[in-house]
Amino acid sequence: QVQLVQSGAEVKKPGASVKVSCKASGYTFTSYGISWVRQAPGQGLEWMGWISAYNGNTNYAQKLQGRVTMTTDTSTSTAYMELRSLRSDDTAVYYCARHFLMVRGVSLFDPWGQGTLVTVSS
Amino acid sequence: DIQMTQSPSSLSASVGDRVTITCRASQSISSYLNWYQQKPGKAPKLLIYAASSLQSGVPSRFSGSGSGTDFTLTISSLQPEDFATYYCQQSYSIEFTFGPGTKVDIK
Repeated sequence: QVQLVQSGAEVKKPGASVKVSCKASGYTFTSYGISWVRQAPGQGLEWMGWISAYNGNTNYAQKLQGRVTMTTDTSTSTAYMELRSLRSDDTAVYYCARHFLMVRGVSLFDPWGQGTLVTVSS
Repeated sequence: DIQMTQSPSSLSASVGDRVTITCRASQSISSYLNWYQQKPGKAPKLLIYAASSLQSGVPSRFSGSGSGTDFTLTISSLQPEDFATYYCQQSYSIEFTFGPGTKVDIK
């Protein structure tokens, strides 16, 4: 079955960087993209960006431009999200999701990884 | 950015009730609207895509409708496993945005 398995929880100090991994299985990795979505404690969902696993093209949310980098390793079917210059308001659960671009431009996220809690605290 | 709003922000309902959640976009998004369900401590799950298409494996009591700026998610007969938070999400703009969520709990 299609599955995305993420790396474990992280605790970081303000100003540090974090890199979260997302290993895909059960489908042809390069036929889809990966989107990253985060959720601060008790809050809603915020889309962070997208990477094509086919050619590595990326599109990042404007508010994170310059601080986030998304990459893939097609040899291991793994996507990565690195966030730099961490602040306390980056504390959140970070999710990866398979980004399915359908005909007529419909985009959807399915399935999702289990989430990775990143805590930023001094 | 396209802003998404949802109403109500929360509702209490009983098993068997018909539940309707509304999502509104700040500009027309045609039918580029998805719905997700999230249970506490779990990842979101896709229910409806392209405003009205039911994702494979999702029970038929879930349905979606709308186009342009106004959309609805309907649960025809609420089941115990449906108590969760529901989010709409637009995919019209590449800067994908979610609604703030609607929490459905037990009356």
